[in-house]
Amino acid sequence: DTEVTQTPKHLVMGMTNKKSLKCEQHMGHRAMYWYKQKAKKPPELMFVYSYEKLSINESVPSRFSPECPNSSLLNLHLHALQPEDSALYLCASSQSPSGEQFFGPGTRLTVL
Amino acid sequence: GIQVEQSPPDLILQEGANSTLRCNFSDSVNNLQWFHQNPWGQLINLFYIPSGTKQNGRLSATTVATERYSLLYISSSQTTDSGVYFCAVTVTSGTYKYIFGTGTRLKVLA
Repeated sequence: DTEVTQTPKHLVMGMTNKKSLKCEQHMGHRAMYWYKQKAKKPPELMFVYSYEKLSINESVPSRFSPECPNSSLLNLHLHALQPEDSALYLCASSQSPSGEQFFGPGTRLTVL
Repeated sequence: GIQVEQSPPDLILQEGANSTLRCNFSDSVNNLQWFHQNPWGQLINLFYIPSGTKQNGRLSATTVATERYSLLYISSSQTTDSGVYFCAVTVTSGTYKYIFGTGTRLKVLA
């Protein structure tokens, strides 16, 4: 099974809402990633978890809060977002931090 | 930091034509992947190719790490090949870096 799943597929939220994005993989991968992709741009790395510990935070604003409850799950908690945070949020996993990455289908987020 | 540039930025082909997409990177990399992003946003793995040549059906890829480029060949293109093609590199010396290229937007006409 080479599948990474993400929920929800679409999310619309107001600037005062709190919501969470969820990512799951059952490939035994030990590295998991969050990327953000704006329209007509390449994905940009936000966070990397390696062996369930946060190893990279690419200077992401604190209104984005990642969490890795176990080796299969990755969450992204959202609070007080801005309209410019509207984007496609992609989750990925790999066997190790230097390995081949596999991506989920993404969550398309709209902030009103 | 490392720069990853792809060319051409846009490409329109007639069905059945062949094409070559290029990915140039400005520094040594440890890994390189090619992806196809479909219209719904899903990134589909095409090749994991830090060096050498690989083939999968109508697609093949070559990475020349010492000269800092990779090529993706698409032969006998089909309308389903339309979408955006990205290369992505991983640098593991010092702080790990994961960088996507600028992308090539391909449209195949019937």
